[in-house]
Amino acid sequence: QQQVKQSPQSLIVQKGGISIINCAYENTAFDYFPWYQQFPGKGPALLIAIRPDVSEKKEGRFTISFNKSAKQFSLHIMDSQPGDSATYFCAASTTNAGNMLTFGGGTRLMVKP
Amino acid sequence: DSGVTQTPKHLITATGQRVTLRCSPRSGDLSVYWYQQSLDQGLQFLIQYYNGEERAKGNILERFSAQQFPDLHSELNLSSLELGDSALYFCASSVAPLQETQYFGPGTRLLVL
Repeated sequence: QQQVKQSPQSLIVQKGGISIINCAYENTAFDYFPWYQQFPGKGPALLIAIRPDVSEKKEGRFTISFNKSAKQFSLHIMDSQPGDSATYFCAASTTNAGNMLTFGGGTRLMVKP
Repeated sequence: DSGVTQTPKHLITATGQRVTLRCSPRSGDLSVYWYQQSLDQGLQFLIQYYNGEERAKGNILERFSAQQFPDLHSELNLSSLELGDSALYFCASSVAPLQETQYFGPGTRLLVL
C-alpha cells in the first residue's frame, strides 16, 4: 500500500516539446504529492507539489495534474529545454504520519536540442 | 544550494567496516530525514528525527542507526557493511515534521569494496 509507480522510466523529447511523466499510488492516506528534479551528482530538489484538494497546479512551465478518483498524478513540462534534462521523481506522503516521502522509481528525461 | 550540508561527499570502505555520515540541516529546521538511493531499490526513506528524538522509521536495517544532536546535526551510522550497502545517502530537513517541504543535501556516495 506504500508503493508509488512512475512511468516512463526514460523519456526523450525534442526542444520545445511537452514532457509528460505519470505516477499512480495505492495508499489513499497520502495527502501531499511533490515532484523532485535531480541532476547527476546532486540531491533531489523540489520542483512543484500539490495537495489532493486541487486538480491542477501550475508554476511556470511546470504543471501537476491530479486525479484523486483514479489515484494518479502527472507532471507536464511545457516548452521543454535541454537544461530540463534530469531525472524526475514523483513522491507522496501523509502529513500527519511524519511526512516521510515515498518515491516513484524515477524518469530520466533527455531533451534534444 | 538547499542549505543542507552533508559530509563526507564520498566514502570508500571495505566490507565489515563501520562508517558515520554527517548531516547539518538548514538553519531553523528541526526535522531531519535520511534516505538511501540505490540502483535496485531507488530512493527509500530510512529514518526521521525531530528536535533530537526519533520520529519515524522506514526500511532501515538493524545494522544502521542514527541520532540527532542538541545542535540539530544528525549522524547516520552504518556498521558491518556489506557490498549491497553501496549507495547514495541523502539527508533532508524541514522546519517541522508536519511541514511538507523537505530540502535535500548533496548526498554522501558510499562505496563498499
